[in-house]
Amino acid sequence: DQQVKQNSPSLSVQEGRISILNCDYTNSMFDYFLWYKKYPAEGPTFLISISSIKDKNEDGRFTVFLNKSAKHLSLHIVPSQPGDSAVYFCAASAGYSGGGADGLTFGKGTHLIIQP
Amino acid sequence: KAGVTQTPRYLIKTRGQQVTLSCSPISGHRSVSWYQQTPGQGLQFLFEYFSETQRNKGNFPGRFSGRQFSNSRSEMNVSTLELGDSALYLCASSLYQQIMNTEAFFGQGTRLTVV
Repeated sequence: DQQVKQNSPSLSVQEGRISILNCDYTNSMFDYFLWYKKYPAEGPTFLISISSIKDKNEDGRFTVFLNKSAKHLSLHIVPSQPGDSAVYFCAASAGYSGGGADGLTFGKGTHLIIQP
Repeated sequence: KAGVTQTPRYLIKTRGQQVTLSCSPISGHRSVSWYQQTPGQGLQFLFEYFSETQRNKGNFPGRFSGRQFSNSRSEMNVSTLELGDSALYLCASSLYQQIMNTEAFFGQGTRLTVV
């Protein structure tokens, strides 16, 4: 049973436009969420995180939105650049309140392609 | 500041052998977690070490084990290798235990191929 789902295996966006990557989760104990970017043959690179006490966190071109009632989060990249082409992973963890026993739980990833 | 270093980058082993992978976390980080990435299962949590003690373990058989040294460096061992163990093994470094809801930084991984 997948607790973190990224339903779009791939997404194509024009350079300069907004990229929106989506992630849904089922475990209500998750209270911390992270986004990672991964290039082939490299480890994931941390991008941005959000705690469940917030509904938005912004860092430069990256903004993460969290909708707890819908168990949904999204990553917005504005403006999209060619170097943003990579696989993006959503991850979640449960802190002390949720037991925190399983490390980070990852989605299967979305391949973002930025077209010139 | 140096990032997370994993060695070796690539390994080829035969079924039945055992293998040891190494991870040096970011200086000052005390938590090291290990993940397995395969095309079918994605990224899956193996275990987490903090202050030389295993704190959490994922759903993997006992053939997968690890340890952490006093300098926070960690090793992961897989015994009696199976073909299905072929994967990218990733190490993640954190300042605190993941239960503290902390950012985790990954190394480049070790690509293990079992033949």
